[in-house]
Amino acid sequence: DTAVSQTPKYLVTQMGNDKSIKCEQNLGHDTMYWYKQDSKKFLKIMFSYNNKELIINETVPNRFSPKSPDKAHLNLHINSLELGDSAVYFCASAKQGWGETQYFGPGTRLLVL
Amino acid sequence: RKEVEQDPGPFNVPEGATVAFNCTYSNSASQSFFWYRQDCRKEPKLLMSVYSSGNEDGRFTAQLNRASQYISLLIRDSKLSDSATYLCVVRDNTDKLIFGTGTRLQVFP
Repeated sequence: DTAVSQTPKYLVTQMGNDKSIKCEQNLGHDTMYWYKQDSKKFLKIMFSYNNKELIINETVPNRFSPKSPDKAHLNLHINSLELGDSAVYFCASAKQGWGETQYFGPGTRLLVL
Repeated sequence: RKEVEQDPGPFNVPEGATVAFNCTYSNSASQSFFWYRQDCRKEPKLLMSVYSSGNEDGRFTAQLNRASQYISLLIRDSKLSDSATYLCVVRDNTDKLIFGTGTRLQVFP
């Protein structure tokens, strides 16, 4: 059973396109996150949602819009993709807030050409 | 200055060796500390939390020095399967997890 799953695993697209990445967790966790890991392997928080409500938005361009239809899902939509958006995007979840262990999804490798 | 700093390595060690990784953090109000492990092209996974008194989990020992804002991870009797990137992670006083860029370990036969 996959605890935190993401689709797609790989995404190759042209500059200017709009794309979405989906994340689902079956752990019953309340909190979900999106992280970006760039080419230098630096992992940085983008968004955090708790029970479908946005808690953290870390100075991410407004081309990035997270959506949480329910507490088991947190999707990431990206408009007008730019070269610099190429990275690995990880979804994660935790039982309740930051103090709990975070479980990461397998990542989505995005390449913008 | 980065919020969490680590030596990127790589550390190349033979099987059976003992290896130590260090990490420093800049925010003295940081709350909690962790080591995560990330295998090549995989997601990060929690290796262990780090407690003020130091803690051990099998071959892994973590230490925290709050005064120096310094965290360490010691791996004894290295195995080939320990080859990975080790991420130092700090939960800051706004409750966010701040990741270091990781230290790469390669254990060779």
